[in-house]
Amino acid sequence: KQEVTQIPAALSVPEGENLVLNCSFTDSAIYNLQWFRQDPGKGLTSLLLIQSSQREQTSGRLNASLDKSSGRSTLYIAASQPGDSATYLCAVTGGGNKLTFGTGTQLKVEL
Amino acid sequence: GAGVSQSPSNKVTEKGKDVELRCDPISGHTALYWYRQSLGQGLEFLIYFQGNSAPDKSGLPSDRFSAERTGGSVSTLTIQRTQQEDSAVYLCASSTWTSQGAKNIQYFGAGTRLSVL
Repeated sequence: KQEVTQIPAALSVPEGENLVLNCSFTDSAIYNLQWFRQDPGKGLTSLLLIQSSQREQTSGRLNASLDKSSGRSTLYIAASQPGDSATYLCAVTGGGNKLTFGTGTQLKVEL
Repeated sequence: GAGVSQSPSNKVTEKGKDVELRCDPISGHTALYWYRQSLGQGLEFLIYFQGNSAPDKSGLPSDRFSAERTGGSVSTLTIQRTQQEDSAVYLCASSTWTSQGAKNIQYFGAGTRLSVL
């Protein structure tokens, strides 16, 4: 059974700091890995999707890497802003396209 | 519509009552997924549909839970004889479909928050 773990569970940083969120998964047989953002009371917003054959994806200040063989992914956020405050979830896609989610990292960026 | 729509946004019910949760996917998306997000359990897969059929129901927690999809569009998740442990946010997502799924980004609705008293 696929298990996805995220570290840290919570993180508080001052505005402008660069930060890294970590995700690990136990079964490397995945189609892709996605990073989502969840704001309180709202659904999930997909930030980046890395296909299993790719090593990284970039979107603006976000960069996600994937090392499928070691079962790890990182989400790098550059020059963090208060608007980045949210819960970040990683999820892997396995058979049937269903997502297995990590436990999430709750990020707070302070002024 | 522009995105995945779920209704109601909030539902409060009494233990033992039946509830129906609705999901309206993005037009043209053939795949539809239900997930549950509860405290202490994180976000869990429940069931997915390809068209009107459900190839994977493995995440449904008990036989009190059922779901259907009609016309390849709207889906309804039904919980019979609700229990307090059913309290959670129920999220629906939709996507296009490819044979391998590598590019199937799932787009999520805002969810239905269910509270069972």
